[in-house]
Amino acid sequence: DAKTTQPTSMDCAEGRAANLPCNHSTISGNEYVYWYRQIHSQGPQYIIHGLKNNETNEMASLIITEDRKSSTLILPHATLRDTAVYYCIAPNTGNQFYFGTGTSLTVIP
Amino acid sequence: GAVVSQHPSRVICKSGTSVKIECRSLDFQATTMFWYRQFPKQSLMLMATSNEGSKATYEQGVEKDKFLINHASLTLSTLTVTSAHPEDSSFYICSARTRPGGKGYTFGSGTRLTVV
Repeated sequence: DAKTTQPTSMDCAEGRAANLPCNHSTISGNEYVYWYRQIHSQGPQYIIHGLKNNETNEMASLIITEDRKSSTLILPHATLRDTAVYYCIAPNTGNQFYFGTGTSLTVIP
Repeated sequence: GAVVSQHPSRVICKSGTSVKIECRSLDFQATTMFWYRQFPKQSLMLMATSNEGSKATYEQGVEKDKFLINHASLTLSTLTVTSAHPEDSSFYICSARTRPGGKGYTFGSGTRLTVV
């Protein structure tokens, strides 16, 4: 896996956009970037993934820098239910997922 | 689509007994499944990669004789914690790869194991 670095924790006001950064400077050309989140005592939930282009789905947007060394997950209108730990992962060619420490996002009313 | 069912969700067992956890892919075939362990306030740690019809591949430091993995069909992988001890109490999570380049992996809802 490419090593990923994320801030340990972040706060976001309810209704505002939450921007979660991830550094993956050692990523190789064919490694996707995946984002998952884990709400307490549940299994991780898929959010979005991308390779080079920015991506958007019903949950979030993913912005990947041109050099692919970093990305930002954007939750456009954070709600209290978005409080979770968010993981950025760049799996290796063997496709194992190794989780880093993630970012604990707290959405504040 | 791509649902992974994990059972049981919670289990309490006595020290020295064995516990089996099942992981099923409900609407797709999973040639590869993964088992994780998560201690309180820590991240998920990959324990092993389970391959259908062959032996599992264990991560460094994971005892293969203690954590027995069987992947006998394309929809079922099991993890058996043998001779469980209180330090094995943890949250165990499985995942299955849906397809290469697709939505990565789908995770089960986890099993909370408490050894008393």
